[in-house]
Amino acid sequence: NAGVTQTPKFRILKIGQSMTLQCTQDMNHNYMYWYRQDPGMGLKLIYYSVGAGITDKGEVPNGYNVSRSTTEDFPLRLELAAPSQTSVYFCASLLNTEAFFGQGTRLTVV
Amino acid sequence: ILNVEQSPQSLHVQEGDSTNFTCSFPSSNFYALHWYRWETAKSPEALFVMTLNGDEKKKGRISATLNTKEGYSYLYIKGSQPEDSATYLCALGSSGGSYIPTFGRGTSLIVHP
Repeated sequence: NAGVTQTPKFRILKIGQSMTLQCTQDMNHNYMYWYRQDPGMGLKLIYYSVGAGITDKGEVPNGYNVSRSTTEDFPLRLELAAPSQTSVYFCASLLNTEAFFGQGTRLTVV
Repeated sequence: ILNVEQSPQSLHVQEGDSTNFTCSFPSSNFYALHWYRWETAKSPEALFVMTLNGDEKKKGRISATLNTKEGYSYLYIKGSQPEDSATYLCALGSSGGSYIPTFGRGTSLIVHP
């Protein structure tokens, strides 16, 4: 049982480049989330989805986009990378009230 | 945006010491509170979920209590061991609308041998 799988684990982007952070879960969970974690700060919600075809903005959505075409996949897209997007990104899915996290993606924008 | 506060931000203790942290949250629309353990270079893993006022949960040397009326939860570690070193997160879930866990900033615990 793989749980929540995120790729890549590390990435360095140049300013203005774009990339997609992949997130897949095999637990058939409806709810999925993207959080970012900055040093000294808590997990901040970027986007979330309550099921396939439904997405909504969280606390810090600017500069990001998501899609949820299937229950399993919830990719996060950065269109024009900026240094402010340097962070560690976590994808999570929810069973009842418990969140299951991916291993995280450490992104540096230079 | 719900305000979930954790204190202290960091804590250094000696092996064998007992310690506790606090998670404070708005008590209105409370649904559930989770404690997560987050080790360096890993992802957070759930320790406890509590839903009822007065709930107490225990797993080995770690226990937690919940007071939904005054809006706080305590996490206790008895006889801390170096392997307890981690960041401990609490996450609040509220009733009504989509379920979105709101996380505190965490308490970073370092246990010195």
